Amino acid sequence: GQSLEQPSEVTAVEGAIVQINCTYQTSGFYGLSWYQQHDGGAPTFLSYNALDGLEETGRFSSFLSRSDSYGYLLLQELQMKDSASYFCAVRGFYSGAGSYQLTFGKGTKLSVIP
Amino acid sequence: NAGVTQTPKFQVLKTGQSMTLQCAQDMNHEYMSWYRQDPGMGLRLIHYSVGAGITDQGEVPNGYNVSRSTTEDFPLRLLSAAPSQTSVYFCASSYAAGGPDGRDTGELFFGEGSRLTVL
Repeated sequence: GQSLEQPSEVTAVEGAIVQINCTYQTSGFYGLSWYQQHDGGAPTFLSYNALDGLEETGRFSSFLSRSDSYGYLLLQELQMKDSASYFCAVRGFYSGAGSYQLTFGKGTKLSVIP
Repeated sequence: NAGVTQTPKFQVLKTGQSMTLQCAQDMNHEYMSWYRQDPGMGLRLIHYSVGAGITDQGEVPNGYNVSRSTTEDFPLRLLSAAPSQTSVYFCASSYAAGGPDGRDTGELFFGEGSRLTVL
């Protein structure tokens, strides 16, 4: 099976930097994704790490350490619109019809305050 | 491209009623899936499909049926609704392992969600 752990809530100040951690357990690992979801909306894709290291996309960066089963999402220059829930998701191996399965963490609710 | 389209967006059912949530995608994605989202539980996989005629169970399949007769459509059926199935349902699709250029982007494309209440 697969499981993921991430903090349930984080609060940060506008303009600051915040890091959301994710640890995972999986029987087979292909990659770690991050999604953003605003209240009442659908999850939207932010980033994906299949290999160790840092991936940068604008103000957002994502890091992966496969040996530690750990990753994080880094948000810089926080804006009020970044207030949302952030989910890590691990793509692991299922012995069923295919290997492309995403298991999601329970999400981290980020509140950005002035 | 419309992306992933789910209908209906809202539905209220009585216990024991049946209904089908529709999902269609126009991106020629092999992989389609249904998730349910409950407060504090994140997104949980119900059923998935890696191509027409191929479906399999996810983490929480009980009470739900699916079929995949075409690449585009992946309906989710509730045969006898129960209050425990009150939730927000998301359909999602993607290329299978490796996109059209063989590169794995790890990205799922989600529909806007269907909010279901079972009384």
